[in-house]
Amino acid sequence: SQQGEEDPQALSIQEGENATMNCSYKTSINNLQWYRQNSGRGLVHLILIRSNEREKHRGRLRVTLDTSKKSSSLLITASRAADTASYFCATDERQAGTALIFGKGTTLSVSS
Amino acid sequence: DVKVTQSSRYLVKRTGEKVFLECVQDMDHENMFWYRQDPGLGLRLIYFSYDVKMKEKGDIPEGYSVSREKKERFSLILESASTNQTSMYLCASILGGGPEAFFGQGTRLTVV
Repeated sequence: SQQGEEDPQALSIQEGENATMNCSYKTSINNLQWYRQNSGRGLVHLILIRSNEREKHRGRLRVTLDTSKKSSSLLITASRAADTASYFCATDERQAGTALIFGKGTTLSVSS
Repeated sequence: DVKVTQSSRYLVKRTGEKVFLECVQDMDHENMFWYRQDPGLGLRLIYFSYDVKMKEKGDIPEGYSVSREKKERFSLILESASTNQTSMYLCASILGGGPEAFFGQGTRLTVV
């Protein structure tokens, strides 16, 4: 079962602009994570937000979580060309323990 | 540094061959996962394992099996490779309490 669904599927912006990606999920979760994938490589963990948190920051990243709407957003401020990558949200379905379920991802392209 | 290593970056196999994809982690993690990634479909969970000799089916286990004889190694087996198994395969591991996943660099498998 695909848990997270990212929106938009693709996003193109200029350097310096902010990029916002959204994720919706279906079932109750313990936490939600965001991962980044450079082209053709493995995924790298960016940030985690727990179900009892509403907002979290890490450098230029800001994540929000709205459990009532079962949605999260990832904001990258002052984007750089190096931010070009695919971004995935991942949730842990409570029934499945630590199995992470990923969405389809948002492909971000930042041009200089 | 945390490391998850997949045995091959690129692999080309013939239809009907038995294929082994190997994944090794050096972090003493209990949980290990195999995903496949296809354009437009995101990451889909094939199998996961939460302990040695234990395995659980993910969302798309058909045509695959797994083996976990040692804690650090999780193998994905394609019993009889087919062209629809051409994909990027990603291995990941998580410490017992979770939640952050560490990924290998991926294996791009082509079945001809």
